[in-house]
Amino acid sequence: AQSVTQPDIHITVSEGASLELRCNYSYGATPYLFWYVQSPGQGLQLLLKYFSGDTLVQGIKGFEAEFKRSQSSFNLRKPSVHWSDAAEYFCAVEGEKLTFGTGTRLTIIP
Amino acid sequence: EAGVVQSPRYKIIEKKQPVAFWCNPISGHNTLYWYLQNLGQGPELLIRYENEEAVDDSQLPKDRFSAERLKGVDSTLKIQPAELGDSAVYLCASSLSSGGAVEQFFGPGTRLTVL
Repeated sequence: AQSVTQPDIHITVSEGASLELRCNYSYGATPYLFWYVQSPGQGLQLLLKYFSGDTLVQGIKGFEAEFKRSQSSFNLRKPSVHWSDAAEYFCAVEGEKLTFGTGTRLTIIP
Repeated sequence: EAGVVQSPRYKIIEKKQPVAFWCNPISGHNTLYWYLQNLGQGPELLIRYENEEAVDDSQLPKDRFSAERLKGVDSTLKIQPAELGDSAVYLCASSLSSGGAVEQFFGPGTRLTVL
């Protein structure tokens, strides 16, 4: 069965610092991978997706993610975070259905 | 373009009462999903519709949950009777079609509190 692990429940970074959120997946075939962001009281917004091709994908709001098949990882990065990036981030894999990780809550300190 | 619309946004009920959630997907989206999101967790699929047909309802607790998508557009998710453990956010999503390489668009959700 497919699964997603986000090992970091909560991360705190300073505004302007770089960010990396970890995601590991388990799926037997070539995965379709997604990162979503959820602000309080809001639905999920797609940041970026990987279907095939270039393993480094660019998304909205300055985010990027790199697919590493050998490590079964799809980590999300941003070179410089802004206070508005504070939210919950979910990694997801599409196989038989869209399966989400438990999320990483990002706090930004001034 | 309007996004996925859900109502109500918040609902507070007492246990054993019925409750219903409504979802209007993005125009032209044939596939509609209902997800359950417990506090501190990622969303989990409850049911998926292709037009008006429920093609995956394996995770829907059918003893108390029901859903319908009449005419293949709007959808309603019902709980009867509600239990304390049903307190959660219920998300609706839609996509043009189903399969791996499609983007799902999510509504803002309905936050249910069962007292």
